[in-house]
Amino acid sequence: QSALTQPASVSGSPGQSITISCAGSSSDVGSYNLVSWYQHHPGKAPKLIICEDTKRPSGVSNRFSGSKSGNTASLTISGLQPEDEADYYCCSYAGSSAFPYVLGTGTKVTVL
Amino acid sequence: EVQLVESGGGLVQPGGSLRLSCGASGFTFSSHAMTWVRQAPGKGLEWVSIISGSGISTYYPDSVKGRFSISRDNSKSTVYLHMNSLRAEDTAIYYCAKIQENWNDVDYWGQGTLVTVSS
Repeated sequence: QSALTQPASVSGSPGQSITISCAGSSSDVGSYNLVSWYQHHPGKAPKLIICEDTKRPSGVSNRFSGSKSGNTASLTISGLQPEDEADYYCCSYAGSSAFPYVLGTGTKVTVL
Repeated sequence: EVQLVESGGGLVQPGGSLRLSCGASGFTFSSHAMTWVRQAPGKGLEWVSIISGSGISTYYPDSVKGRFSISRDNSKSTVYLHMNSLRAEDTAIYYCAKIQENWNDVDYWGQGTLVTVSS
């Protein structure tokens, strides 16, 4: 079970939009509508910001949006703000075989 | 409010053992699978183990299989991670997290506890 592939880093200026990709396979991302995205500020608990490919949990800013095409999911952050600088991870359900979930490699978002 | 509080981290010598605990509150503990995820210095998040709500089913990645064991005490709303034969590469922050009842997502995480394996 290989990790989902994310770009190591993405940057943008305040107010801009950025998109983070998450490439998986037909065994995980492409098989289930169950991709999640997490925001992780170092030293803090990771926070769920997108679930089930496109849904935002209660209280999450609508500047965060999720999408998916085939085996690749994406997270878009609109109107980039300084507090968005963090690490972002995708995660996909992978069935109840050897291990139910697979994580992404993580993306460092820098606000210039 | 969901709360997950990890404890038990610390400095341990290579080959040693450690038990982490995660106390949960704010939800029906026995209805939810729980998981441990770690982050080594400068690295990304990595699954360590998962246990079903009943405790009957457990999952481990190859990196810890045979060395780590997850368990839970639903009467105490606590999940444990028993770590044996620790290696330097097990040095990491260990996070406890809650899985949704339908297993769709990992929805809440604790703040983590640091485990350092060094002589």
